[in-house]
Amino acid sequence: NAGVTQTPKFQVLKTGQSMTLQCAQDMNHNSMYWYRQDPGMGLRLIYYSASEGTTDKGEVPNGYNVSRLNKREFSLRLESAAPSQTSVYFCASSEGDRALHYNSPLHFGNGTRLTVT
Amino acid sequence: AQRVTQPEKLLSVFKGAPVELKCNYSYSGSPELFWYVQYSRQRLQLLLRHISRESIKGFTADLNKGETSFHLKKPFAQEEDSAMYYCALPSGGYQKVTFGTGTKLQVIP
Repeated sequence: NAGVTQTPKFQVLKTGQSMTLQCAQDMNHNSMYWYRQDPGMGLRLIYYSASEGTTDKGEVPNGYNVSRLNKREFSLRLESAAPSQTSVYFCASSEGDRALHYNSPLHFGNGTRLTVT
Repeated sequence: AQRVTQPEKLLSVFKGAPVELKCNYSYSGSPELFWYVQYSRQRLQLLLRHISRESIKGFTADLNKGETSFHLKKPFAQEEDSAMYYCALPSGGYQKVTFGTGTKLQVIP
C-alpha cells in the first residue's frame, strides 16, 4: 500500500519547456489535489478534483493544467515553464465523500522539487 | 473568504519547555480545523483534527470560536518535535483546504 505516489522526485527545466507531474493514489479516494510549497507562503492550492471527472481551480492556477485521468491518477502540466514556477509540488488525496467523510484529512505524496532556470 | 494565519515563521524552544504554535482563522461557517506536520525529509502528515479532541504525540489543540483560534500546544517539548507545522481549514463542500504559511518549530537540546 504505497498511498500517494508522485513522479518525478526532482526536475530541472529551462524557461519555456513543458512537463507533466504524475500522481497516483491507491486508497480509492475520491478527491485529489495539487499544491505548491514556497518558503514563507506555505502551501497554496493549484487545482483540485473533488471526484473523478471534475476539476476546479484553486488559489494559483495560472500557468498550470490538470487532468483527472481516472479515479487513481491526477496529473499536473506546465505548458511553458517560468522561473516563478520553481517550487516543491505536492499531490494529495482524501476520501472526500461529503456524505460519509466530510472534511476528511489529506494524504500527501513525497513531493516533486522543480527548478526552472 | 476563509483565511488561516500562523504569525510565527520560526519558534525556538528548549527541550522540556512548553510549546504553543499559534493559528488564527477567518471563516464564516462552523470551522473544522486540522494541524499537519512535516518532519525533515518526510511527507506532510496529519497530526490532529479538532473534532477528534485527541492528543497525538503529546500535542493538543482546542478550538476557540470566540478568539477564532486553534493553537497547538504541548507541555514539554522533545527534540523529535522539531518540524514544520501547518494549520489547515477546509472550506467544506468540495474539500478545498486552505493552509497557513507554516511555523518551523526548533527544539534546542
